This record gives sequence, C-alpha cells and structure tokens, in this order.
Amino acid sequence: GQNIDQPTEMTATEGAIVQINCTYQTSGFNGLFWYQQHAGEAPTFLSYNVLDGLEEKGRFSSFLSRSKGYSYLLLKELQMKDSASYLCAVRGHGSSNTGKLIFGQGTTLQVKP
Amino acid sequence: DVKVTQSSRYLVKRTGEKVFLECVQDMDHENMFWYRQDPGLGLRLIYFSYDVKMKEKGDIPEGYSVSREKKERFSLILESASTNQTSMYLCASSQWENNQPQHFGDGTRLSIL
Repeated sequence: GQNIDQPTEMTATEGAIVQINCTYQTSGFNGLFWYQQHAGEAPTFLSYNVLDGLEEKGRFSSFLSRSKGYSYLLLKELQMKDSASYLCAVRGHGSSNTGKLIFGQGTTLQVKP
Repeated sequence: DVKVTQSSRYLVKRTGEKVFLECVQDMDHENMFWYRQDPGLGLRLIYFSYDVKMKEKGDIPEGYSVSREKKERFSLILESASTNQTSMYLCASSQWENNQPQHFGDGTRLSIL
C-alpha cells in the first residue's frame, strides 16, 4: 500500500529551529512536496525535492533521502506566523502527467512566545 | 500568480439535495483535483481530471461525480447530499510536469443539514 507518516503535533519556541519529519512508502517516486496550511485557509506550496539532499529557501529548507523514504522540513528563526499545519505529499509511480499527489495527514505546529 | 477560484466559501444545503461545487483556474493547467479535508483524516482525493472530459476516481469517489467540459472549469457534484458529506472541499490545479505543485483554491465549507 501507499503510506505517508508525519507527527500529528509539534510545539516550538519563537526564534528557535524546528524539524518536521515525513516518511513515505509509495509505489515509485516522482517527487516530494511540502505545503503550509494556516487554519481555515488553503494549502500553499513551500518546497519540492526529487533528488537526495537539501533544498534551501530562506528560513525554510527541505531534505530528501530516497533510499530511506524520508524527508524533513526545517524551519529556522521561528516566527509566530509559522504556526500552521505542514503537509507532506508524494508523487508516486504512474502519477506522471496526472499530477496526482498522496498527502500525509499533516503536522500542526504551534509556535509559542 | 495562479488563481484557483471556488464559487462559494460557505454553503448550507439539505439532505437529498443535488449540490454543485464549481472551480475555475486561470493558468491553463491540464490537471484539476477535488479533495475533502476533515479533522484527523487529512486531505482525501475524491476525483481528478488530467484533460477535458477525462476524469478518474480518487480514493473516496462514492456519492460524488465530476464534470470537466472546459479546460479551466472542474465541477464537483453531490448527487444526493448526505450529512456525512459535511466537510471542507478544496479544488486544486497543476501543470502536467512532475516538478509542478498543485495550487489550491480557498475552499468551500459545505454543511448538509
């Protein structure tokens, strides 16, 4: 079967660094996406990884290890506005051209002062 | 910027009614998707379409149908609404390339009474 696992909730302090993990088991692999979703709003795209390694975008970085079926999202210099849910999604085999993604259930991050 | 527009932000309907949810995207995307999002269950794919008049079932298609007569518009139809279809419905679109993310509309919070 296909499965994506993320922790349900995390708490961190303003100004700190937090790492949100995602493990996946899918039929093939054509890329991994991270989305941010604030309460009551639509998910917005954060990052994309298809090769092993770290992709950095300002305060946010995303890492991928295809051999381990593992990714993480790293948020630095946390701000209160980073309180949101973070969704991990994988494009599996056979999803080329259809754009279909398999989503994890999301990690709700609460940033405290 | 990509714009995905859902026709209603909030909608209240009665059990047994036929309900139409409309979604329009303005970026000529090939792929379009309908999800529902419920607490603790994450995003679940109902139906998707990778071309005009083409549709494929997602993970939870029962009780729903879709229509894609034009490339920019993807409609979700609840044939006979039931209370267990009360949910947040999210539409998304994407280009066909693997590295292209899905872009989401603001969502329709649908209540079936």
